[in-house]
Amino acid sequence: DAGITQSPRHKVTETGTPVTLRCHQTENHRYMYWYRQDPGHGLRLIHYSYGVKDTDKGEVSDGYSVSRSKTEDFLLTLESATSSQTSVYFCAIRRTGTAGGTDTQYFGPGTRLTVL
Amino acid sequence: GESVGLHLPTLSVQEGDNSIINCAYSNSASDYFIWYKQESGKGPQFIIDIRSNMDKRQGQRVTVLLNKTVKHLSLQIAATQPGDSAVYFCAERNGGSNYKLTFGKGTLLTVNP
Repeated sequence: DAGITQSPRHKVTETGTPVTLRCHQTENHRYMYWYRQDPGHGLRLIHYSYGVKDTDKGEVSDGYSVSRSKTEDFLLTLESATSSQTSVYFCAIRRTGTAGGTDTQYFGPGTRLTVL
Repeated sequence: GESVGLHLPTLSVQEGDNSIINCAYSNSASDYFIWYKQESGKGPQFIIDIRSNMDKRQGQRVTVLLNKTVKHLSLQIAATQPGDSAVYFCAERNGGSNYKLTFGKGTLLTVNP
């Protein structure tokens, strides 16, 4: 358990509506990530954050924005949801793994988003 | 861009057998690799990792092997149990200061009782 919660866990919305997903961590990690997972694709990075108010784009950032106003929360916003954004969204944090102190990523439970 | 891939999309084994899940990577500059397990409806769970200066690491019932010559990674699960049924995927670290990972698509492991 990496101390990560995501909310909501499930959401159904309509095309054109704004949606915000929340990732909350309890371990004060600096780095946080948002991914989407779709059939036929590996996890794809949307945005990541390397500190409060410090964020950067991933490989599939179009249509998404993020905010990090405090260490424990990383928000992902779909300004105007489209059907192509139907997916499962995972948040991850970066912390030390087991191979000689190397950092690795640990994931939250996911949010299943359906855009009708 | 370069990405991590898997040889086999599905693997079915008998309970008690050993399982081997394979992964090919293409980025010779990748210096760190991770195996994740993902059960249905859950987030990916860290299993084991290995740095590029190592050939083998062992955990509890799992072993990861790294062959840099042919850019191949494998996960061995000993005495596979029904609870091991899940999708397994590998990831590689691309380097850089902001630590990005590239993920494979996954192999579905089914353990038959």
